[in-house]
Amino acid sequence: QSVLTQPPSVSAAPGQKVTISCSGTSSNIGNNYISWYQQLPGTAPKLLIYDNNKRPSGIPDRFSGSKSGTSATLGITGLQTGDEADYYCGTWNGSLSGGLFGGGTKLTVL
Amino acid sequence: EVQLVQSGAEVKRPGESLRISCRGSGYTFPTSWIGWVRQMPGKGLEWMAIIYPSDSDTTYSPSFQGQVTISADKSIGTAYLQWSSLKASDTAVYYCARWVGRRFDYWGQGTLVTVSS
Repeated sequence: QSVLTQPPSVSAAPGQKVTISCSGTSSNIGNNYISWYQQLPGTAPKLLIYDNNKRPSGIPDRFSGSKSGTSATLGITGLQTGDEADYYCGTWNGSLSGGLFGGGTKLTVL
Repeated sequence: EVQLVQSGAEVKRPGESLRISCRGSGYTFPTSWIGWVRQMPGKGLEWMAIIYPSDSDTTYSPSFQGQVTISADKSIGTAYLQWSSLKASDTAVYYCARWVGRRFDYWGQGTLVTVSS
C-alpha cells in the first residue's frame, strides 16, 4: 500500500472532465512539489505535470495540476479515448530522503 | 534529444546474479541524476534508487536498500542496476529515468526481468 493515496479507478465520457486525487502527508506532498505521470498500456511512463502545475513541452493544456496542503489533483478536460491510461502522482519524501509514487489510477473513457 | 536506451529482456534462475543497463544520450550524463523504477506485473510504480554519475553519490529507497546496487560509468554514459542473488519476487519491468528537480523527466523503454526456476 502506497504512502500516497490515489483512487484505483475513475471514468468519464469523451469530451467530459475528470479529476484524479493524490493524498499524502506533511512529510511528502505537504512540503514538496508534485509531479504526475501518464502510462499508456504497454508503454513507459511519461511526465505529464511537474512542480505541481507546470506542463513539459508538448503536453496539451487539457492537462492541469494543482496542490493544496497535503493533497494534489490532476485534471483532464476534453477527454479522448487516447487518454485511457494509468496515472501516477509522485513526490519527494523528506523523512526518508527518497522519492514516492502513488498507487496509480486507471482512467477509463467510456 | 534526450534518450535513455535500456538493455534487453532477461530470464534468470533464482540465486543468479544480473546487471541491467541504461545508456543516456542527448544531455550531459555525468551531471544529471539518473534512477530506476520497478513495476511488478499488474502493479504500480516503485521508486528504487538514484545516482549522480559524476561522483557516484546514491540515494536508495529503504525498501530497496541492500537488495540492489545502482552504479554508473560516466565515461560511457551508462547507468546500471545489479542483483547479486535474484529471487522470484524480482520479476518485474525495470525503468531507468533521468531525475531532475525531484521528478523523472525522461524514461527508458523498460527492461523485463523474469526470475523463474
